[in-house]
Amino acid sequence: RKEVEQDPGPFNVPEGATVAFNCTYSNSASQSFFWYRQDCRKEPKLLMSVYSSGNEDGRFTAQLNRASQYISLLIRDSKLSDSATYLCVVPGTGTASKLTFGTGTRLQVTL
Amino acid sequence: NAGVTQTPKFRILKIGQSMTLQCTQDMNHNYMYWYRQDPGMGLKLIYYSVGAGITDKGEVPNGYNVSRSTTEDFPLRLELAAPSQTSVYFCASRPGQGNTGELFFGEGSRLTVL
Repeated sequence: RKEVEQDPGPFNVPEGATVAFNCTYSNSASQSFFWYRQDCRKEPKLLMSVYSSGNEDGRFTAQLNRASQYISLLIRDSKLSDSATYLCVVPGTGTASKLTFGTGTRLQVTL
Repeated sequence: NAGVTQTPKFRILKIGQSMTLQCTQDMNHNYMYWYRQDPGMGLKLIYYSVGAGITDKGEVPNGYNVSRSTTEDFPLRLELAAPSQTSVYFCASRPGQGNTGELFFGEGSRLTVL
């Protein structure tokens, strides 16, 4: 299994829809996980941290499933401005100093 | 509020030329990173540093070198540029282990090797 794996998409959804992305990881010892958002030709920015108890911030919910080694990001009531690439980030194998990025899932929200 | 500053923002190199991408941060962060991102792909770690005087390879270090003589600066050196090094390079920093894990990124340096 790759360190981090994501479905590249694109996910094309209408405004107002609910959409979910998953990200699988290989290091069962990983404790912390993150979702970053990247707009076209821009630097990534932290969207949410993912805790064992899950994390919710407005329309965004992040969950962790340790048994199956995946994290998820749920976006409710999608907005046009949510169109971006969503990157899953986990500590690298062997050291928590490194953060390994997934290839990203592209979301396109349409009218 | 400078954060992480990268220079140059754009550069075109000829095959075989060398150059240094500069990265500086004013947040007193211990950890610094260099990533490259090819079109339509994720970020791949080139080198990272957990403090001044300490550097380590990431997953794609070949063709690059780094140094970390100060906490603030983490330059990335490209020796003998090749077309395969055409990419967007991002420098990032974070305080260190035990924090939220948020990486603070520079705006990126777009490098083309012809």
